[in-house]
Amino acid sequence: QVQLVESGGGVVQPGGSLRLSCAASGFTFSSYGMHWVRQAPGKGLEWVAVIWDDGNKNYYADSVKGRFTISRDNSKNTLYLQMNRLRAEDTAVYHCARDLGGSTPYNYFDPWGQGTPVSVSS
Amino acid sequence: EIVLTQSPATLSLSPGERATLSCRASQSVSSYLAWYQQKPGQAPRLLIYDASNRATGIPARFSGSGSGTDFTLTISSLEPEDFALYYCQQRSSWPLTFGGGTKVEIK
Repeated sequence: QVQLVESGGGVVQPGGSLRLSCAASGFTFSSYGMHWVRQAPGKGLEWVAVIWDDGNKNYYADSVKGRFTISRDNSKNTLYLQMNRLRAEDTAVYHCARDLGGSTPYNYFDPWGQGTPVSVSS
Repeated sequence: EIVLTQSPATLSLSPGERATLSCRASQSVSSYLAWYQQKPGQAPRLLIYDASNRATGIPARFSGSGSGTDFTLTISSLEPEDFALYYCQQRSSWPLTFGGGTKVEIK
């Protein structure tokens, strides 16, 4: 069955960096767009970024543009999120999610990983 | 950015009752709207996409309707496992956005 397992979260000081990973299995990873979605403690959902199946196109939320970079390694079935210049407001659980569609993202999320927590605090 | 407003914030109902959740968009999203269910400590699950299409494995008691700016998620007869948080999400334009959520709680 489809599995998405995130890792790499932790506690980091403001201005610091983290790289999140999402290991995918149970489907042809290279055939799907992938997303990162985050959820701040006790808050709702916020879409962060999307990357096309071949990695050649991506979009970001304005709140992370210029600080976060989404990437993928299709040979390793792994999605990444490089997070730089972290702020307190980036504190959240970060979920990776497969796109509902195929090579061109449909921009719905199905399924989701359980998430990895990121805390930005001094 | 398209803002999605969900109402009510909390819906208190009993098992077997009908639940009607609303999502209103700040501008037309055509039919490009999805609904997700989230239970405590779990990842969200896709229920409905493109306003009215049930995702794989979703029971028939869940249905979606609407287009343009007004959308509804209906749960025809609440089962104990349906008490959860529900979010709507639009894909009409960037950035992709979610509503603030409706909590369906046991009365």
